[in-house]
Order: sequence, then C-alpha cells, then structure tokens
Amino acid sequence: EAQVTQNPRYLITVTGKKLTVTCSQNMNHEYMSWYRQDPGLGLRQIYYSMNVEVTDKGDVPEGYKVSRKEKRNFPLILESPSPNQTSLYFCASSLWGGGRPQHFGDGTRLSIL
Amino acid sequence: AQTVTQSQPEMSVQEAETVTLSCTYDTSENNYYLFWYKQPPSRQMILVIRQEAYKQQNATENRFSVNFQKAAKSFSLKISDSQLGDTAMYFCAFMRVKETSGSRLTFGEGTQLTVNP
Repeated sequence: EAQVTQNPRYLITVTGKKLTVTCSQNMNHEYMSWYRQDPGLGLRQIYYSMNVEVTDKGDVPEGYKVSRKEKRNFPLILESPSPNQTSLYFCASSLWGGGRPQHFGDGTRLSIL
Repeated sequence: AQTVTQSQPEMSVQEAETVTLSCTYDTSENNYYLFWYKQPPSRQMILVIRQEAYKQQNATENRFSVNFQKAAKSFSLKISDSQLGDTAMYFCAFMRVKETSGSRLTFGEGTQLTVNP
C-alpha cells in the first residue's frame, strides 16, 4: 500500500530535550516536505526537499532541521524544542513537477511543556 | 508571495443539501494549480479536487465541484447532496510550480464544515 508513515503519532516532551519525528514514503517520490498546522493559520511549510541531499527552507524554518540522506526518509529534528513549537505536524511527498498532488502522513501531535 | 484566504471559519448544512465554501488567492503567477483538501476528525489530509489554472473547465469529482474564476482569483468548492461523512475541516491550497522550489503548497486558514442530520 502506497503511504507516508510518520512516527510518533503523539509526543509530549519538555523544553530543550532534542527530538526527531521520522517520515518515510514507499512511493519513490522525489519531493518531500514538512508542514505544521496551527488553529486559524492552516498548514505552513517548514522545510522541503527536492531530492537526496537537496533541502531548503519553507515559510517557518526557525528552530527546525531536516536531512535527506535517503530518498524514502525525511526526518524533522527539533534540537532544542520550545513551547511555541507545540503543534500538529505533517509530512508529505509527491512526484516531481506537473502540479502532482501531495500525499500526506497521518500527522504527529507534538506538545512541548 | 502567494496568499490564500478562506473567509468562512465555520459553516453548517443540512444533510442532502448543497453548500459552497469560498476561497480567494493572490498571485502574480500565470501557471499554477489549486486544490481542496479535506481533514476529518481523524486528522488525515485527503485530496478532494484539483484544478489546473490553464484549464477553463471547472473540475468535478462526484458530488464535489469547483467554480474557478481566474480573473477574480476565486476558487470555491460546491458540495452537493451533503452527507454526514462530509463533516470535516476543508483547506484550499495554491501550488506554484517552479524549478527552484518544487511543488510548494500554500494553504488557507480552513473552513470547518458540519453536516447536520
């Protein structure tokens, strides 16, 4: 089954404790992206990657890091999480070009105390 | 920069009736794509419909159709014969396609639709 898998689905942690949210897709997609969803703001792009070793900032990259060492994986790293990063996070992937629709993971609910 | 605006934070409709969700966007691009995504309480993001800006014909998917007005930069979603399972948050999204930045989506704020029995 074609899918984007995120882990964990829920996480409660404390300020300053490094965490990683994993994202993996099995569709051989070139393009992968991370979004955060906040009430009244919709989804906003954090980082994206157009292929292995090619990443770039989205609209709200501060406080986040990413890497793309393999085509299927695109982890999101919070080196020193803060309460303002409490949010719902989505990973998405798509084929390159032509307005291809993005396929989304099931989301990660992150709470930072 | 592109912006997408959904001016209706909440809407409700009776089962079997028709409802229209509004979306406007701002861009200087001529070639782009527009999408509606549905997010039910399970929080999955589900593609509802896709429109190519260079196509005049409005996209249709079963009970879902759009009214795309390129000059007015308007992209509304019409849901016919509303069903209880249509209850969800609906997001309008704009995709600019450029070689340097890939398939970047800009989302609106969302409209919470409730279908009442």
